[in-house]
Amino acid sequence: GIQVEQSPPDLILQEGANSTLRCNFSDSVNNLQWFHQNPWGQLINLFYIPSGTKQNGRLSATTVATERYSLLYISSSQTTDSGVYFCAVGKGGNTPLVFGKGTRLSVIA
Amino acid sequence: GAVVSQHPSRVICKSGTSVKIECRSLDFQATTMFWYRQFPKKSLMLMATSNEGSKATYEQGVEKDKFLINHASLTLSTLTVTSAHPEDSSFYICSARDALRRSTFNEQFFGPGTRLTVL
Repeated sequence: GIQVEQSPPDLILQEGANSTLRCNFSDSVNNLQWFHQNPWGQLINLFYIPSGTKQNGRLSATTVATERYSLLYISSSQTTDSGVYFCAVGKGGNTPLVFGKGTRLSVIA
Repeated sequence: GAVVSQHPSRVICKSGTSVKIECRSLDFQATTMFWYRQFPKKSLMLMATSNEGSKATYEQGVEKDKFLINHASLTLSTLTVTSAHPEDSSFYICSARDALRRSTFNEQFFGPGTRLTVL
């Protein structure tokens, strides 16, 4: 099956700093999604980005499908950005997502 | 659009009892839904694929007789944890895809999750 690796596993930032999270995957995919898991466990869908670049406020993401990686950029980080960020990929259609192990982000004031 | 709900959000039960968790697609129909499990400080792992009108398919190591899945309609899948034990305590999350959503055809939408605690 598809393997998904996320880096770094843990990240501590000062408020206001920028960061880049990386997701590498082992096979071609038709679905790639980035999530932020809040303290209550709910997965907040950040981006659906099987290819290309998207931006939403302070967050942006880029997926280079031919090279099998995706990047999530967080700019001007805030304490509310803390939590676990997951990358998940899949073949699309009625196939499930495979999740990476996540990046645990802590933003300190 | 593309909202998935789960009920209950949290359940505490005694060892040996059965617990039913519902996953509903509120504004779309889903022939396939997925059930994931997440242990504390771990990632999400696929448990099973729920197929409307047919048997579910289970991942290796997941006991089908313990985790009963019923997908009786295009908007509802249920996961029943039978004879629950403390090691079944976990966070259970479902997802579904809106196949008619052209803009994000392959996107999966996740429910808010159900936290099960077995005493």
